[in-house]
Amino acid sequence: AQKITQTQPGMFVQEKEAVTLDCTYDTSDQSYGLFWYKQPSSGEMIFLIYQGSYDEQNATEGRYSLNFQKARKSANLVISASQLGDSAMYFCAMRVMDSSYKLIFGSGTRLLVRP
Amino acid sequence: NAGVTQTPKFQVLKTGQSMTLQCAQDMNHEYMSWYRQDPGMGLRLIHYSVGAGITDQGEVPNGYNVSRSTTEDFPLRLLSAAPSQTSVYFCASSWAGMNTEAFFGQGTRLTVV
Repeated sequence: AQKITQTQPGMFVQEKEAVTLDCTYDTSDQSYGLFWYKQPSSGEMIFLIYQGSYDEQNATEGRYSLNFQKARKSANLVISASQLGDSAMYFCAMRVMDSSYKLIFGSGTRLLVRP
Repeated sequence: NAGVTQTPKFQVLKTGQSMTLQCAQDMNHEYMSWYRQDPGMGLRLIHYSVGAGITDQGEVPNGYNVSRSTTEDFPLRLLSAAPSQTSVYFCASSWAGMNTEAFFGQGTRLTVV
């Protein structure tokens, strides 16, 4: 079964520190994509970063990086230099190569950045 | 550039009522989908469409209908609302492909009483 697991329901981080949000995935497909989305309290879904299963380099986008460990089936999001505006819900998602192009989401991690 | 426009933002329904959630995108994306978000469960796929005239069921399709007569629009119909359909609904669109970002609407918070 294809599944995304986020084991941290909630996390705290001090402003300006780095934080890692965990994500593990389960699929038997060789070709898949991994996404992270941010959902602030206002409710919208904001795309952060993407990693393809064949990408050899870890993806980076500004303060966001994805620590991709294929053998362990993990795709952790690292946020460097946390800001108060990073307080939000974070979702890991996976897309596999089938006709539905669906995104399979984890249950999310709520991050609170402390001043 | 509007992106994905979803209406209404909030809605309260009585059990048994029907309604349509509207979704429109202006990016010419062929792929559109509807998700529901429930606490502790992330987002789950209700229905999706890979192009005008083509729709299919997702993970939790019961109680919902969709149609796609144009590339731009993908309405979601609740046939006879039930309290179990109280949720936040998101419409999303993207190009068809493994690495394509999904663009989401603002969400609709639906309460069924």
